[in-house]
Amino acid sequence: DVKVTQSSRYLVKRTGEKVFLECVQDMDHENMFWYRQDPGLGLRLIYFSYDVKMKEKGDIPEGYSVSREKKERFSLILESASTNQTSMYLCASWTAGGNTIYFGEGSWLTVV
Amino acid sequence: DAKTTQPTSMDCAEGRAANLPCNHSTISGNEYVYWYRQIHSQGPQYIIHGLKNNETNEMASLIITEDRKSSTLILPHATLRDTAVYYCIVRPYMDTGRRALTFGSGTRLQVQP
Repeated sequence: DVKVTQSSRYLVKRTGEKVFLECVQDMDHENMFWYRQDPGLGLRLIYFSYDVKMKEKGDIPEGYSVSREKKERFSLILESASTNQTSMYLCASWTAGGNTIYFGEGSWLTVV
Repeated sequence: DAKTTQPTSMDCAEGRAANLPCNHSTISGNEYVYWYRQIHSQGPQYIIHGLKNNETNEMASLIITEDRKSSTLILPHATLRDTAVYYCIVRPYMDTGRRALTFGSGTRLQVQP
């Protein structure tokens, strides 16, 4: 089974802090994604990466950056956390020729 | 992605089959029907997908009507752990995935003991 692991399930951070959300997948998928999910807004794509060191902006990249130094790991970085970034963050991975996208369990971030 | 319509909520008795309907009357020829579910506070979980033939896996069965305008996800023996929001999504197969999956409101399935 594909496994997408997000390192932190629940975090509480202060406004202005730098926040790292880590995601690791174990199926050698070349495509990885970061989404956020908010009530009434569904899933929104923040960034995705289709190869090591490659990244593209999604629909809502402002306030975020990403890093993909190794194929299995995709990190989401909040340079200076703000309260409007309080949300559930979902990492996902997919491979060309694969059936579908697989999600991690989510990271609940609260910025106070 | 083609628009889908699902009931807001459904109840099912534990051990009975849960049949979750989805209407997708504007589906086009290259679009597949995918089903995901999301248990509270967890990431979406892939269940099954299909094009026009009925499909079955270890989790569920998918019945697609001949005109492909609707489908039904069947959980043959629902358990309390199947309580979740179920999403029906229509999108092209082998899509790059670079677009966000469009999760609508889904159907909230409550399995009753």
